Amino acid sequence: DAGVTQSPTHLIKTRGQQVTLRCSPKSGHDTVSWYQQALGQGPQFIFQYYEEEERQRGNFPDRFSGHQFPNYSSELNVNALLLGDSALYLCASSWGTRENTIYFGEGSWLTVV
Amino acid sequence: AQSVTQPDIHITVSEGASLELRCNYSYGATPYLFWYVQSPGQGLQLLLKYFSGDTLVQGIKGFEAEFKRSQSSFNLRKPSVHWSDAAEYFCAVGALVGGGADGLTFGKGTHLIIQP
Repeated sequence: DAGVTQSPTHLIKTRGQQVTLRCSPKSGHDTVSWYQQALGQGPQFIFQYYEEEERQRGNFPDRFSGHQFPNYSSELNVNALLLGDSALYLCASSWGTRENTIYFGEGSWLTVV
Repeated sequence: AQSVTQPDIHITVSEGASLELRCNYSYGATPYLFWYVQSPGQGLQLLLKYFSGDTLVQGIKGFEAEFKRSQSSFNLRKPSVHWSDAAEYFCAVGALVGGGADGLTFGKGTHLIIQP
């Protein structure tokens, strides 16, 4: 049973560019959340998708957007990249019921230069 | 707004000694609480979680945690640490919204160092 998979694992972008990160949830999971983890910090919640809709959003600007597909996979898009967007981006999946367990992927390392 | 405080940025423990990592949370409703571990350059691995019921929860790798509502705490413990336990440990709090889990709020983490 594959867990949460993310791609790419590492990438380097130039300031002002746009980036798309991808996530496939654990089998049977229908809810996907994205987190940003800066170096030396705890993860910060960006947003969550359920039934292809953004259900909840953290304190991130509109440059951060996402999408969930009918097969529950998800994309995170970041426009107009800033140096401060350099971080590990983690995808987490869960099943939309009470007392569910949240599983994280290995993350995508984004470096903005 | 919910928040999580992990007061210890670094903790050094001798191999074989006991361990306790502290976590205090602030949340207006009944929280659900997690402990995750992260090795360098890796994602997060769930150690244990608390939703309801018995306030002492058992996790993987010999870890346990106790939920104390009166103290707003959810401290992680292990009776005897191994060198492989060296990692970053994160406490997180969330809520159940509309039947599903909402986004988690994480603490800044505690870096665990194991001395031989």
